[in-house]
Amino acid sequence: DAGVIQSPRHEVTEMGQEVTLRCKPISGHNSLFWYRQTMMRGLELLIYFNNNVPIDDSGMPEDRFSAKMPNASFSTLKIQPSEPRDSAVYFCASSHTFGSGTRLTVV
Amino acid sequence: DQQVKQNSPSLSVQEGRISILNCDYTNSMFDYFLWYKKYPAEGPTFLISISSIKDKNEDGRFTVFLNKSAKHLSLHIVPSQPGDSAVYFCAASEGSETSYDKVIFGPGTSLSVIP
Repeated sequence: DAGVIQSPRHEVTEMGQEVTLRCKPISGHNSLFWYRQTMMRGLELLIYFNNNVPIDDSGMPEDRFSAKMPNASFSTLKIQPSEPRDSAVYFCASSHTFGSGTRLTVV
Repeated sequence: DQQVKQNSPSLSVQEGRISILNCDYTNSMFDYFLWYKKYPAEGPTFLISISSIKDKNEDGRFTVFLNKSAKHLSLHIVPSQPGDSAVYFCAASEGSETSYDKVIFGPGTSLSVIP
């Protein structure tokens, strides 16, 4: 079991660019969560899916953020356009198991 | 409004002694509680959980206590080891161990175990 796989581990992008974060959940897990961690706000739940269907996206900060789960083995979190305040570590969790995160820096 | 609170940002304990990490919550609908441990540059790792029908759950050196009337839970680590030094997050959910629902995290407590 490879656990939850997130890519990339680090992303540096310029303000205004589109950013796509990827997550491969653990096979057989039906729930997938996207979290963001910042110093100011800690770990915030952005959105979660059950059986590939978005259940609650009330944590998504703005329309610039979108998430998809086209199948049980893949999910993406997209930010378009990105802004410096989006800089954070983004975690994907498969049920209660977290990935290692993507550290996003928007300059 | 923070639904899950960890009022101690940091805690230092001598190796071999007991570490007690505390957590309070405000939402009476929470039925399932979890503790995670996080090392720098890694994702949080699930440690132990407890459902609201229990008041105690034990796993090796880790015990979680739940006082539902006080909306309070605590994590006890006995004996504490230097490798336990990490940030500990308390989390709560309206779901259960098998019915995953949104999980709300506290701000974390940084534990340092001094050799």
